[in-house]
Amino acid sequence: ETGVTQTPRHLVMGMTNKKSLKCEQHLGHNAMYWYKQSAKKPLELMFVYNFKEQTENNSVPSRFSPECPNSSHLFLHLHTLQPEDSALYLCASSQDLEGLRGYTFGSGTRLTVV
Amino acid sequence: GESVGLHLPTLSVQEGDNSIINCAYSNSASDYFIWYKQESGKGPQFIIDIRSNMDKRQGQRVTVLLNKTVKHLSLQIAATQPGDSAVYFCAENAGNMLTFGGGTRLMVKP
Repeated sequence: ETGVTQTPRHLVMGMTNKKSLKCEQHLGHNAMYWYKQSAKKPLELMFVYNFKEQTENNSVPSRFSPECPNSSHLFLHLHTLQPEDSALYLCASSQDLEGLRGYTFGSGTRLTVV
Repeated sequence: GESVGLHLPTLSVQEGDNSIINCAYSNSASDYFIWYKQESGKGPQFIIDIRSNMDKRQGQRVTVLLNKTVKHLSLQIAATQPGDSAVYFCAENAGNMLTFGGGTRLMVKP
């Protein structure tokens, strides 16, 4: 375990479904991130939160909606997704935004949109 | 734009041999670099880091080399083991956040 826990590990959803991904860390980190990892592509930054405030939205479609109720929890709400949204969604945290001690990643949620 | 990239998408080595994974970066302002290992079904895991004021750093069986002149980073794994099979990718920090490269798959043949 890395200290960053993501649930569920696997998710299959239809294009009309609404689901949420959850990320939790108790490392005392102040910054949390959502990344999308598709086959043969670099990690794509989606959202960044620092001290619960969203500091980055990397042109992500509105069908992805993040929520950060506190510094330890991060959610990604999914609604009317497309098949091309199928990917591994990774949550990460870091002490601060600079990440000078690196990011700690969770194991990810493998999402399949059917 | 500025980017981090990898030379080889797949590297196949014999068990016991040394492995070298390369990474090119284009942002000359980057001053901190990290290598991550991602095994199947897991998230990326921190391996080793290096700051731009160094050109070499060693860990347990791993060494990272930084050549700022040609903006090149490499990860050397000594006596590669089956457990080293994974995707490796580098990340750079130019003062704001980490930017990740595309990844190289290391396959270890028994």
